[in-house]
Amino acid sequence: SQQGEEDPQALSIQEGENATMNCSYKTSINNLQWYRQNSGRGLVHLILIRSNEREKHSGRLRVTLDTSKKSSSLLITASRAADTASYFCATDGGNQGGKLIFGQGTELSVKP
Amino acid sequence: GAGVSQTPSNKVTEKGKYVELRCDPISGHTALYWYRQSLGQGPEFLIYFQGTGAADDSGLPNDRFFAVRPEGSVSTLKIQRTERGDSAVYLCASSRDRGQETQYFGPGTRLLVL
Repeated sequence: SQQGEEDPQALSIQEGENATMNCSYKTSINNLQWYRQNSGRGLVHLILIRSNEREKHSGRLRVTLDTSKKSSSLLITASRAADTASYFCATDGGNQGGKLIFGQGTELSVKP
Repeated sequence: GAGVSQTPSNKVTEKGKYVELRCDPISGHTALYWYRQSLGQGPEFLIYFQGTGAADDSGLPNDRFFAVRPEGSVSTLKIQRTERGDSAVYLCASSRDRGQETQYFGPGTRLLVL
């Protein structure tokens, strides 16, 4: 079963705008990760944030984690048409290594 | 080096047939994972191997699904008596070892059961 919900399910913005996607989960976690997927095929790892971290940056990506609310957000700044993809959060469900539990994803469309 | 590869990229079969899906992980990665993704959904875990052994097969939906990794590298996911509901993209991922959280995904095999 899916770990949680992502919000919104779909997001359409103009190039240059910021995109914010949210993820909620149900169980305790050791870490939370964000992945990107183009055209329903392989996933690309973007960023990992550990349960004792509150914020992490990588290039134009900023991820926050609130373990008290069991939620995370992914912010993409100065979006580009090439950022168009589906974005998924995934947690380890509190396990050490092993399976990832994914949300249902946010479909982002960036219009040039 | 090469990433995770999966073959075939697409597979069309008829209901009731047997299929095998292959995954070649990144060289040296000891952990290998299989996921299944239906349209509009996130990937769902099926099974994961640490070396040659299945460390967690709790996601396999029923006994028609089976996976092997006999030499600790290549893995094959086997589906017997396929059903239309098995149609999905089957994704394979690998990581350096069980303690490495980042999983590297292959491009997937799109299975269509007619």
